[in-house]
Amino acid sequence: ETGVTQSPTHLIKTRGQQVTLRCSSQSGHNTVSWYQQALGQGPQFIFQYYREEENGRGNFPPRFSGLQFPNYSSELNVNALELDDSALYLCASSLARGVDGYTFGSGTRLTVV
Amino acid sequence: RKEVEQDPGPFNVPEGATVAFNCTYSNSASQSFFWYRQDCRKEPKLLMSVYSSGNEDGRFTAQLNRASQYISLLIRDSKLSDSATYLCVVTLNRDDKIIFGKGTRLHILP
Repeated sequence: ETGVTQSPTHLIKTRGQQVTLRCSSQSGHNTVSWYQQALGQGPQFIFQYYREEENGRGNFPPRFSGLQFPNYSSELNVNALELDDSALYLCASSLARGVDGYTFGSGTRLTVV
Repeated sequence: RKEVEQDPGPFNVPEGATVAFNCTYSNSASQSFFWYRQDCRKEPKLLMSVYSSGNEDGRFTAQLNRASQYISLLIRDSKLSDSATYLCVVTLNRDDKIIFGKGTRLHILP
């Protein structure tokens, strides 16, 4: 059984650019959620996808968007990057919208310069 | 009031001691509760779910108090390896939001 994998592990982008982060869910999981974690803070919920549809969203602007594919893998897209978008981006997968908790990937460290 | 609040600590506790910390939540419609553990520069890992009847897993006991809107985590006979940040998680199934606390840092001292 493979766990949650994220790519890339590290990324440096320039302010104003766009970025796509990828996540492969754990085998058998149909729900993926994305989080932004700044240093010294808890993860902030961005959104969740269940069976290819967004079914929950946190307080993030529309320039944060996502997709879930038929194999339940997912992408997080961020447009018009700002310096404050620099953070660790975590993906987590679960069964049935997280009823039994979430399994996290090791994250993508995004630096915006 | 913040949606989920935790004492950031750090809690500095001698090895073998018992330590407990709480997490309060503001939305009475919250439905699912979890404790996660996060080591420095690592991803969060599920420690345990928290059920209304309370639950225990080895040295760890979690409790939910719906009336006062808090959950607790008790660690008995603490080990050096218990040093980590403990994150409280609350989910609002009505609008599918997942809310993490900022975490409580625990240092177990030899």
